[in-house]
Amino acid sequence: AQTVTQSQPEMSVQEAETVTLSCTYDTSESDYYLFWYKQPPSRQMILVIRQEAYKQQNATENRFSVNFQKAAKSFSLKISDSQLGDAAMYFCAYSQGGSEKLVFGKGTKLTVNP
Amino acid sequence: DAGITQSPRHKVTETGTPVTLRCHQTENHRYMYWYRQDPGHGLRLIHYSYGVKDTDKGEVSDGYSVSRSKTEDFLLTLESATSSQTSVYFCASQGQGGLGANVLTFGAGSRLTVL
Repeated sequence: AQTVTQSQPEMSVQEAETVTLSCTYDTSESDYYLFWYKQPPSRQMILVIRQEAYKQQNATENRFSVNFQKAAKSFSLKISDSQLGDAAMYFCAYSQGGSEKLVFGKGTKLTVNP
Repeated sequence: DAGITQSPRHKVTETGTPVTLRCHQTENHRYMYWYRQDPGHGLRLIHYSYGVKDTDKGEVSDGYSVSRSKTEDFLLTLESATSSQTSVYFCASQGQGGLGANVLTFGAGSRLTVL
């Protein structure tokens, strides 16, 4: 079974600085997707970024970018110019191509200090 | 955003009572899911559906059943609630293929407390 590991239960960053959240996964498949979801205190799950495994280029969405290392099975999220609104739980997730089911990591709680 | 609503949003019940959580989506998505979220566990899949009357178990399905009689509705039932089922429950849906492939859209969650 596929597993997703987030080794940092909590992280903190100063406003306007950069922080990187780690995620590793285990799979023997070649066709899959990786995601980062954000869960603010409102509890709503919000998609931050999505990466298709067959794409070499790292996905970016404004201040959010990923470092996708397929051979190492690593998928880290970099948040640049951190803002107070970035404070949330961040979940890394994996989905096998054709499966549609997501497997989530346990999450990293990000605190942004003013 | 996909229109996906969960009800009730909050519920307190007693051990041994039946509970049904409802998920309703207006995007005509084929796939629907129920997850539970617990501290230190992230989100874990309870059951999912890949079409009307087509459902399957996830990794934590014991004590739960589901039904999907219409595309838009996916019900999660706890036949006899236990304190271990105190959790926040999320429903999600997903369309098929294209740019939205494998992207889940979530409801706002339902907090269930079993006393």
